[in-house]
Amino acid sequence: EAQVTQNPRYLITVTGKKLTVTCSQNMNHEYMSWYRQDPGLGLRQIYYSMNVEVTDKGDVPEGYKVSRKEKRNFPLILESPSPNQTSLYFCASSSRWQETQYFGPGTRLLVL
Amino acid sequence: GIQVEQSPPDLILQEGANSTLRCNFSDSVNNLQWFHQNPWGQLINLFYIPSGTKQNGRLSATTVATERYSLLYISSSQTTDSGVYFCAVAVSGSARQLTFGSGTQLTVLP
Repeated sequence: EAQVTQNPRYLITVTGKKLTVTCSQNMNHEYMSWYRQDPGLGLRQIYYSMNVEVTDKGDVPEGYKVSRKEKRNFPLILESPSPNQTSLYFCASSSRWQETQYFGPGTRLLVL
Repeated sequence: GIQVEQSPPDLILQEGANSTLRCNFSDSVNNLQWFHQNPWGQLINLFYIPSGTKQNGRLSATTVATERYSLLYISSSQTTDSGVYFCAVAVSGSARQLTFGSGTQLTVLP
């Protein structure tokens, strides 16, 4: 089944404890992206990747890192999480930039 | 940056009714997509439609790029259509990133 998977789905952590949210797609898509969704602010793009080893900042990249060493994986790294990073995170992918994006199930993160 | 406005912000319908959702944007775009977020939070792609018209079952969409708007039509609505509908756009010639509108919350009553 074609899908985008994220892990974990739910995470509670404390300020400053490094964490990684994994994202994987099995559709051989070139384009991958991370978004966060917050009440009243909607969906905002954090980082995106056009292909392996090609990443770029979105609208809200501060406090996040990404890497794209393999085509299928696009992990989101929070080196030192803070409470303002409490949010619902989505990973998405598409075959090319100008194609419809497919979203993962979301990761709900709470930083205490 | 580009402004994306969706209307109406909220819509309540009786099952079987038709509806039109609108997305206005402030600049030329080379990427426009419609998504549905169901009540469980899952985001589902509906259309990739930077211009023209597409149909998929009871849903159809039209984008008039020269006038900077897109419309999503839902016919014979069902309770499973409830949720939030987002449009997302990217500016022509710009970085490869999508900007989302604030969404239309649709509630379909049985």
